[in-house]
Amino acid sequence: DAKTTQPPSMDCAEGRAANLPCNHSTISGNEYVYWYRQIHSQGPQYIIHGLKNNETNEMASLIITEDRKSSTLILPHATLRDTAVYYCIVGSGGSNYKLTFGKGTLLTVNP
Amino acid sequence: GAVVSQHPSRVICKSGTSVKIECRSLDFQATTMFWYRQFPKKSLMLMATSNEGSKATYEQGVEKDKFLINHASLTLSTLTVTSAHPEDSSFYICSAYHRTSGDEQFFGPGTRLTVL
Repeated sequence: DAKTTQPPSMDCAEGRAANLPCNHSTISGNEYVYWYRQIHSQGPQYIIHGLKNNETNEMASLIITEDRKSSTLILPHATLRDTAVYYCIVGSGGSNYKLTFGKGTLLTVNP
Repeated sequence: GAVVSQHPSRVICKSGTSVKIECRSLDFQATTMFWYRQFPKKSLMLMATSNEGSKATYEQGVEKDKFLINHASLTLSTLTVTSAHPEDSSFYICSAYHRTSGDEQFFGPGTRLTVL
């Protein structure tokens, strides 16, 4: 079973920041938070991951609460091409780690 | 990021035939490859984990004799759907991982299988 909870859908205006929440209250101390997204009829794409510190890359920022029970993925300036299903996944990383996909959040970026 | 390809991108076959799907890591050596299945409007479900040179590990409920996985090299894994039936129609996606790639799995573009 997926160990995360995400809203089923969100809308965002083009050019605005998209903030996607994720609850993972049962996360273990050695588990990472991963974010992937899937554009319709394509394979998933890695976005970012983190353990406990906030992370930022060219795609997004990941904010993890101090108790690690929730996190937020931030797309700073959403574009129409960011419309996708976003998956928040908890896992231990390393070789043979499995990604258990939940239902994710369908983010629709509107013009 | 690294590139993973799948072939074919879509295939239509008759019930009872077998279909082979290839997954290749084009610019890195994948010590582990994963096979997922995705039904319409559903999330991805892991089918099996494949390590180069060893037998695949299948998830509960996935028939190993029906979904044959071969990971003969560090750049190629194949999934063969044997005696396909209409209920096997789905979107099959592979991902590849190498321990030096950090914790990122690189996904292929997927293969759409339709069994008539």
